[in-house]
Amino acid sequence: GENVEQHPSTLSVQEGDSAVIKCTYSDSASNYFPWYKQELGKGPQLIIDIRSNVGEKKDQRIAVTLNKTAKHFSLHITETQPEDSAVYFCAASKVGGAGGYNKLIFGAGTRLAVHP
Amino acid sequence: KAGVTQTPRYLIKTRGQQVTLSCSPISGHRSVSWYQQTPGQGLQFLFEYFSETQRNKGNFPGRFSGRQFSNSRSEMNVSTLELGDSALYLCASSSQGSEQFFGPGTRLTVL
Repeated sequence: GENVEQHPSTLSVQEGDSAVIKCTYSDSASNYFPWYKQELGKGPQLIIDIRSNVGEKKDQRIAVTLNKTAKHFSLHITETQPEDSAVYFCAASKVGGAGGYNKLIFGAGTRLAVHP
Repeated sequence: KAGVTQTPRYLIKTRGQQVTLSCSPISGHRSVSWYQQTPGQGLQFLFEYFSETQRNKGNFPGRFSGRQFSNSRSEMNVSTLELGDSALYLCASSSQGSEQFFGPGTRLTVL
């Protein structure tokens, strides 16, 4: 069945360091991979996404890489700041086609703590 | 543009009751998806509606149902509530085949 594994479950870094979160998906038909940040008491916020026809995407301090062969994708946050502290979720989806559309399969989440 | 809104934000019910949650998507978005978030199971897909039709459904019992209105607003209903239904229920809206934007959720507690 569809499954997304996410590691690590917790991550603690010093301000200014980099943080990397890794995910593996099981359904080779997945073609859309968003990352969400969830702060306490709020809904998940989309921070970056990547589609299967792209290997890497960057937005300021955040980047995502995708290895379709290995079915891996990763989130990289550089120059971390205390306000980056939150729970991060990866997800996979099959956009378009029968049975796909907007069904996101989420990883279990990574609690990131950035210490000043 | 206003974001996704969900009402109510908090709800307390007792076992056996039923509950209806409401979601208003971002203006112009025709797809509304619902997710359940619990500490044990994480974020799980419930169902998706597009143009008033259920287009996709997750692995939840028939007690969980939903609908979408002509203005794209959506409701989900849970009947015969169980303790295990206590969760944060999240609604997300999107244009077809693109990013999903989540609302703040409705925190349901079943006593």
